[in-house]
Amino acid sequence: DAGVIQSPRHEVTEMGQEVTLRCKPISGHNSLFWYRQTMMRGLELLIYFNNNVPIDDSGMPEDRFSAKMPNASFSTLKIQPSEPRDSAVYFCASILGDTQYFGPGTRLTVL
Amino acid sequence: GDSVTQMEGPVTLSEEACLTINCTYTATGYPSLFWYVQYPGEGLQLLLKATKADDKGSNKGFEATYRKETTSFHLEKGSVQVSDSAVYFCAAGSGGGADGLTFGKGTHLIIQP
Repeated sequence: DAGVIQSPRHEVTEMGQEVTLRCKPISGHNSLFWYRQTMMRGLELLIYFNNNVPIDDSGMPEDRFSAKMPNASFSTLKIQPSEPRDSAVYFCASILGDTQYFGPGTRLTVL
Repeated sequence: GDSVTQMEGPVTLSEEACLTINCTYTATGYPSLFWYVQYPGEGLQLLLKATKADDKGSNKGFEATYRKETTSFHLEKGSVQVSDSAVYFCAAGSGGGADGLTFGKGTHLIIQP
């Protein structure tokens, strides 16, 4: 199994631009999580889906952030417009039982 | 909601030394507890877990025991290796982690030969 796949691995963009991060969970896993990691705040849960339905988005920092899961094998996290304070590593994870499997992350830099 | 506090790093040890990384949690119920490890440039990997009081999780020589009375889940290893150098995260999850996890800030462990 290829594990959780995220793309791109690195993204550099300018303030005000739209950014879309992508995630493919492990086949058969029915829950998907988006996390953000920064030095200051550590790992934060942004949103999670069960069976493609958003369950809790209380961690999404503001309306500039949105996430979708149109089918069981794909999810996106979009930031529009992006700001320098959004610079972080964004992780996607899927779950089997009570174990979360993380992707390699997308390192986002907003200039 | 849940919260997790773990000791600040970096922690620097010599090879074959004993390791303890402290972790305490607060939660309204009895969460499942996890230790994840992150190697440079990679995502987090599950190291071990415990789902109820007095359970001991173990893997690769690491151990942690779910202590309800002290709300702790300290990570221990008797003899560390250079390859153990990584960032270690303690995490708590209500619903067994299926509702997302609350992570500690992470502890950077450096093992010197």
